[in-house]
Amino acid sequence: QSALTQPASVSGSPGQSITISCAGTSSDIGGYNFVSWYQQHPDKAPKLMIYDVSKRPSGVSDRFSGSKSGNTASLTISGLQAEDEADYYCSSYTSSDTYVFGTGTEVTVL
Amino acid sequence: QLQVQESGPGLVKSSETLSLTCTVSGGSISSNHFYWGWIRQSPGKGLEWIGSIHYSGRTASNPSLKSRFTMSVDTSKNQFSLKVNSVTAADTAVYYCARPLYTGNYFFWGQGTLVTVAS
Repeated sequence: QSALTQPASVSGSPGQSITISCAGTSSDIGGYNFVSWYQQHPDKAPKLMIYDVSKRPSGVSDRFSGSKSGNTASLTISGLQAEDEADYYCSSYTSSDTYVFGTGTEVTVL
Repeated sequence: QLQVQESGPGLVKSSETLSLTCTVSGGSISSNHFYWGWIRQSPGKGLEWIGSIHYSGRTASNPSLKSRFTMSVDTSKNQFSLKVNSVTAADTAVYYCARPLYTGNYFFWGQGTLVTVAS
C-alpha cells in the first residue's frame, strides 16, 4: 500500500496558523472518516492529536483542528507555538482493512 | 493508566529471526475489542504500520510487508508479540507497540525499541 502524501515541511511564525495536507485516494481518506494525526518530537513516541478526521483526544489543545475534503485531509495548527515544532503524520483506514501513514511533515516555528 | 512496553534483542544478525514482545500493564489485553498495533520507524524515516492483533488471535497486516511478519498474543501474560523472519538491513528501525482509542487511532504508545540488523 502506498503512503499518504504530505508536504515535507511547513513553517510559520509564532501566533500564525499553518495547515498540513494529507493526500490519499478514494480507497482510504476519501472512503472513510477514520483519519488520525500524530505529533512526534525527536526521539519520542508519536502522540495522537486528532482522530476520526476532526476529534481531539482529551488533553489536546483546541489549537489543533482537523478536516477532510474529498481524498485530502488537513491538520491546522492555530496560534503556532514553539512547542509545536515537531514532525506530524496523518493516518487513514483503508479499504483493505489496514491502516496507512502519511510521509510526514516537519513543522518549523520561525 | 494503561501502559505498553516493548522488549527485544536490540541487535540481530541478517537473515535471522527478530522477536519482539509488548507487555501491557494497567489493563487487560483481553478487554473490549481493541486491535493492538505494531508500528515501526526506520532511522530518519516516517512511520510504517506493520499490523495489529486482537486478543482472539485475529490479525490485520500491511500487505506491503508480505509474509515475513507474524503476530501472536499471550493473554495469560498480557503480552502480544511480533516475529520478523529473514531480517535484512531494511528492517533496522524503532519498533513501537500501541493501543488505539478504539480502532486505528493509536493513543497509548510504548517508548519504542531500536532494533539494528547487522550483516
